[in-house]
Amino acid sequence: DVKVTQSSRYLVKRTGEKVFLECVQDMDHENMFWYRQDPGLGLRLIYFSYDVKMKEKGDIPEGYSVSREKKERFSLILESASTNQTSMYLCASIPWGGAGGPGNEQYFGPGTRLTVT
Amino acid sequence: KQEVTQIPAALSVPEGENLVLNCSFTDSAIYNLQWFRQDPGKGLTSLLLIQSSQREQTSGRLNASLDKSSGRSTLYIAASQPGDSATYLCAVKEATSGTYKYIFGTGTRLKVLA
Repeated sequence: DVKVTQSSRYLVKRTGEKVFLECVQDMDHENMFWYRQDPGLGLRLIYFSYDVKMKEKGDIPEGYSVSREKKERFSLILESASTNQTSMYLCASIPWGGAGGPGNEQYFGPGTRLTVT
Repeated sequence: KQEVTQIPAALSVPEGENLVLNCSFTDSAIYNLQWFRQDPGKGLTSLLLIQSSQREQTSGRLNASLDKSSGRSTLYIAASQPGDSATYLCAVKEATSGTYKYIFGTGTRLKVLA
C-alpha cells in the first residue's frame, strides 16, 4: 500500500526558530512536492524535487529551502520561522512524470499543522 | 496562466441524493486531472485520476468525467452518505514543457445530512 508519512502532525515553534519538516515515501517515487494550504488560497507549491539532490522552486519559495539527500526523504526547512508561515504543510509524491510527461497519481501525506508564535 | 475553479464552494444535501461537483480550468492543455477528498485537518486522499486522452473514470459510487475542450470536469457521487462529507478538490497537471506543476482548485465543502 502506498505510504507518505510526515514527521509531525502538529508543531508549535517560536518566531526566528529554524524548523525542519520531514516527509518520507516508501514507494520509490522520483518526484516529491511540498505545498502549503491556507483557507481561501488553496494549495500552493513551495518546492518540488524530481530526483535526489535536484530541486526547483514552486510558486512561493521565499523563506523556505529544501533538502533531498535520499530518494525517499524530502525535507522542508524554514530558515527563520515567521508568523505568516503558520499553515498546514502537505507533502506529496508521484512515481514518475518527467519534464513534459503526464505523470501518475499524486499521493499525499497526512499534513503538518505548523503554528509559529 | 492556468486557473482552476470549483463552484459551489460549499454544498449541503440530504442523504441518498445523487450529486455533481464541478471543476473548471482555463487552459485545456493539460496532461491529467485528479480528484481528491480531504477530511478536516487531514491530508488529501486520491479518488480518481483522468488522463487527458480519457473521457471518464469510475470507482464505486464515484464517476469523474473530463471535457478538455470546454475546460470542465465533473465528479458524480451516487447515493450520497454522511461519510461522504468532506472537502473535494480537483487538480490539473499542465502540459507545459519542463513543468511538474499541478494547479489546484480551492475545493467544494460537502455536507451530507443524515
